[in-house]
Amino acid sequence: DADVTQTPRNRITKTGKRIMLECSQTKGHDRMYWYRQDPGLGLRLIYYSFDVKDINKGEISDGYSVSRQAQAKFSLSLESAIPNQTALYFCATSDPGDSAYEQYFGPGTRLTVT
Amino acid sequence: KQEVTQIPAALSVPEGENLVLNCSFTDSAIYNLQWFRQDPGKGLTSLLLIQSSQREQTSGRLNASLDKSSGRSTLYIAASQPGDSATYLCAVGYNFNKFYFGSGTKLNVKP
Repeated sequence: DADVTQTPRNRITKTGKRIMLECSQTKGHDRMYWYRQDPGLGLRLIYYSFDVKDINKGEISDGYSVSRQAQAKFSLSLESAIPNQTALYFCATSDPGDSAYEQYFGPGTRLTVT
Repeated sequence: KQEVTQIPAALSVPEGENLVLNCSFTDSAIYNLQWFRQDPGKGLTSLLLIQSSQREQTSGRLNASLDKSSGRSTLYIAASQPGDSATYLCAVGYNFNKFYFGSGTKLNVKP
């Protein structure tokens, strides 16, 4: 089984709808991240979490919120989806004790907002 | 704001060639630098991680080097194969928690 899993893998939703993307990991890492990837722009950090009680905004957090339900679970929510949030979303984990913060990525969620 | 630039944006080479992908960054106070491979529509696969105290890392046909003073890293791929065709991304890590990505180099290795 994959160490970092994301659900759903693909989602099409309408403008204004609330949507949640979920991430689970079995690596035992404390740090988790949400990124979005747009064509030609690379990955940009949305939110990151050091542990269940520590959540921080990244580069592009407007329009998004997150919840760290447990060490292994980190969810990203779009409260009211808009078309320019159409992108590929990735969850990642890292840990200081595991190759010095090497990042491990999930397979991604392709989100389309119509 | 840290910036990470990858040049070239796309590269097409015949099978068997040795090639170099470049990654440059504006802030040299990095913690680590990681190279990834991404296949179309797929996630990121980690290739090599270089810590700030290291100069290079090797894995099989891949060699990554780091020169913090000049703000550059290179990924060397020896004897390229069609299976190496993918987009290669570099990510620069700062302050133990923030990573900045380049926009990638799309590599096509022709049989």
